[in-house]
Amino acid sequence: RKEVEQDPGPFNVPEGATVAFNCTYSNSASQSFFWYRQDCRKEPKLLMSVYSSGNEDGRFTAQLNRASQYISLLIRDSKLSDSATYLCVVPDYKLSFGAGTTVTVRA
Amino acid sequence: DTGVSQDPRHKITKRGQNVTFRCDPISEHNRLYWYRQTLGQGPEFLTYFQNEAQLEKSRLLSDRFSAERPKGSFSTLEIQRTEQGDSAMYLCASSLEAAASEAFFGQGTRLTVV
Repeated sequence: RKEVEQDPGPFNVPEGATVAFNCTYSNSASQSFFWYRQDCRKEPKLLMSVYSSGNEDGRFTAQLNRASQYISLLIRDSKLSDSATYLCVVPDYKLSFGAGTTVTVRA
Repeated sequence: DTGVSQDPRHKITKRGQNVTFRCDPISEHNRLYWYRQTLGQGPEFLTYFQNEAQLEKSRLLSDRFSAERPKGSFSTLEIQRTEQGDSAMYLCASSLEAAASEAFFGQGTRLTVV
């Protein structure tokens, strides 16, 4: 089993829609997680950190389910600028990345 | 600019040549990571340093790859006898030592082996 697995997508949604996708992790000892955003041909940038049951930042909500070992990211009222690849990261010593979930928001 | 910087941004090389990339991390960060990313994939861990010590190296990394961080500041990644399969984006990131610290990425070096 891979250390971090993500819904690959792509998710193609209209502006204003809500989109959600999951990331599963294998290390049950993991205590914290990151969601990074990566635009095409750019470097990853931190979107939000998840340390307890979840986190909310504006239109973005991350939830952590420790029992089932997954993290979800939900984007409400999606904007064209939300189009990107979203990377789930488990910060063990090496920062284990998922393959990413591609989201495209259309007008 | 006080972020992570990488040089060069692009490199085209002939198969069999050696290449070296440089990464300058954020100055107060003592952890430095190297990743490789190909199209449609997430960043793949290569190696990481705590100050000048290389603490982990991916089993996927062949002997043709070597990395150094001689004074705990900048780092270099060298690929010897490049192969076409080495074509990828090479990303450097740095972070504080504290567990679960945010990692900041450089813009990457895009390597094309022809």
